[in-house]
Amino acid sequence: GENVEQHPSTLSVQEGDSAVIKCTYSDSASNYFPWYKQELGKGPQLIIDIRSNVGEKKDQRIAVTLNKTAKHFSLHITETQPEDSAVYFCAAIKRGKLIFGQGTELSVKP
Amino acid sequence: DGGITQSPKYLFRKEGQNVTLSCEQNLNHDAMYWYRQDPGQGLRLIYYSQIVNDFQKGDIAEGYSVSREKKESFPLTVTSAQKNPTAFYLCASSIRLLGETQYFGPGTRLLVL
Repeated sequence: GENVEQHPSTLSVQEGDSAVIKCTYSDSASNYFPWYKQELGKGPQLIIDIRSNVGEKKDQRIAVTLNKTAKHFSLHITETQPEDSAVYFCAAIKRGKLIFGQGTELSVKP
Repeated sequence: DGGITQSPKYLFRKEGQNVTLSCEQNLNHDAMYWYRQDPGQGLRLIYYSQIVNDFQKGDIAEGYSVSREKKESFPLTVTSAQKNPTAFYLCASSIRLLGETQYFGPGTRLLVL
């Protein structure tokens, strides 16, 4: 079955710096990789996703890269702001089922 | 205003009691899901449904039951057989089951008295 490992579990950066969160997956058949942002007491919100036929996708300050050979994908947040503070989850999808990483708690200090 | 709604926001369960969590969507999505989230952990799949009157067990279905009588609704019952029900429960939906983006509701926090 699919297994998704996410690192680091906590990440603290200064406002304006970049943040990078990395995930690895085990099943080469996985073909869709979403990233979710979860604020305290709320449901996860999709922030960006990437499919296996694309190596990189960018949306303003957020980008995701995918290395299919190495089976890992990363979330990059540039020019971080205090409102970026939240828990971020990566996921890999196979046969319609999302397998989540363990989450990264990002803290952006003003 | 389209989206997924969950109710109640907080729910208290007494020992031996069954409780039902509501999930409604007006996105016209075929597939719906229930996840459980424990503190500091990722989401784990309880049940999912591809279409009305059909549902499948996820990774942690024991002690839970669901129904899918209407496309818009996918209620989850936490039965007395679930010995550790305290968690944050999240409902999600997607257009179809295979390879589609899942959108989440705001969640229900279940606490045991």
